[in-house]
Amino acid sequence: KQEVTQIPAALSVPEGENLVLNCSFTDSAIYNLQWFRQDPGKGLTSLLLIQSSQREQTSGRLNASLDKSSGRSTLYIAASQPGDSATYLCAVRGSWGKLQFGAGTQVVVTP
Amino acid sequence: EAGVAQSPRYKIIEKRQSVAFWCNPISGHATLYWYQQILGQGPKLLIQFQNNGVVDDSQLPKDRFSAERLKGVDSTLKIQPAKLEDSAVYLCASSFTTGGTGNSSLAGQYFGPGTRLTVT
Repeated sequence: KQEVTQIPAALSVPEGENLVLNCSFTDSAIYNLQWFRQDPGKGLTSLLLIQSSQREQTSGRLNASLDKSSGRSTLYIAASQPGDSATYLCAVRGSWGKLQFGAGTQVVVTP
Repeated sequence: EAGVAQSPRYKIIEKRQSVAFWCNPISGHATLYWYQQILGQGPKLLIQFQNNGVVDDSQLPKDRFSAERLKGVDSTLKIQPAKLEDSAVYLCASSFTTGGTGNSSLAGQYFGPGTRLTVT
């Protein structure tokens, strides 16, 4: 059974610092991994999707890496801003077709 | 393109009452998902449709939850009767399915704003 873990559960950084969010999964037989952002009272916004054959994906200040063999993904957010405050969720899609989510990391960027 | 639409956005009911949620996916997306997100947890898949057929409903509490997707477009999720532990955000998502196997493994999922249900 796939288990997805995100550590830490919460993170607070001053504006301008780089953010590093971690995601680990127990079963390396995945099709892809997706990072989402969730603002309070809102749905999920997809940030980056990494296919199993890829090592990383980049979009603006965001960069996500994937190491399938070790069951890890890292989301980097460069030069954080107060607007980056949100909960960040990772999710893996396995061979069984189901998307399995972690519990998320709640990020606060202080001005 | 228009996103995934859901209604209502908020609902408060008493236990043992019934409630229904509606979802309209992104046009052209064959796969539709319903998730339950309890406060402090990640979303949990309740049911997955491929067009109007059910692909996975293994985590749907079938004694009280039901879902349908008529004509392979809109979907409704119903709870009857509701329990206190059903208080959660119900998220609908859709994805574009690729491949003859019907496996949407290559496509990302797009989420609606969710319906926040409070059962008192």
